[in-house]
Amino acid sequence: DAMVIQNPRYQVTQFGKPVTLSCSQTLNHNVMYWYQQKSSQAPKLLFHYYDKDFNNEADTPDNFQSRRPNTSFCFLDIRSPGLGDAAMYLCATSREGQNTDTQYFGPGTRLTVL
Amino acid sequence: AQSVAQPEDQVNVAEGNPLTVKCTYSVSGNPYLFWYVQYPNRGLQFLLKYITGDNLVKGSYGFEAEFNKSQTSFHLKKPSALVSDSALYFCAVSPFTGGGNKLTFGTGTQLKVEL
Repeated sequence: DAMVIQNPRYQVTQFGKPVTLSCSQTLNHNVMYWYQQKSSQAPKLLFHYYDKDFNNEADTPDNFQSRRPNTSFCFLDIRSPGLGDAAMYLCATSREGQNTDTQYFGPGTRLTVL
Repeated sequence: AQSVAQPEDQVNVAEGNPLTVKCTYSVSGNPYLFWYVQYPNRGLQFLLKYITGDNLVKGSYGFEAEFNKSQTSFHLKKPSALVSDSALYFCAVSPFTGGGNKLTFGTGTQLKVEL
């Protein structure tokens, strides 16, 4: 089945230690998104890629970076995690990024910062 | 700016009874509306969406939603609730023009279905 895969499902890091979260997709979608979701709150969009074009949200901290080396993979890098960055990180994809497109989500990575 | 509101933090319903999870929206132009469900420690699963056409939209797992333009609402419904429907439900809206496919989510409604 076509799907969105996130690894690892659970990640523990130390305060200030860089961490990378991974997302891959077999849907061959052009757009990939990263969301941050804290404790039963609404997901908050951090950034998205349309193909190789990177689109950052205005209020996304510089501490968060992303890479998309090819269509299938997208990475979220947190350069110096703080306690406030502990959250569920969700990756999603959509076919063309049109307003009517459905976004398909991965299972998420739960990040704990010690 | 677009927004959605889910006025109820939690909805409790007995198994077998009909359920409704409420959502109202505010957008410029025609709305594109979505419902997602999230089980504990899982990602969001798409249930259904309204783009245009019939006001009653049918989706996955027996869920449906009714688009009401005059009341700016898009309530999620199911005729007979199951205990396994217990989860967190999010309504979301996509902009009519510009902005790409950037969803704005509501704050979520926890549905609890009891025996």
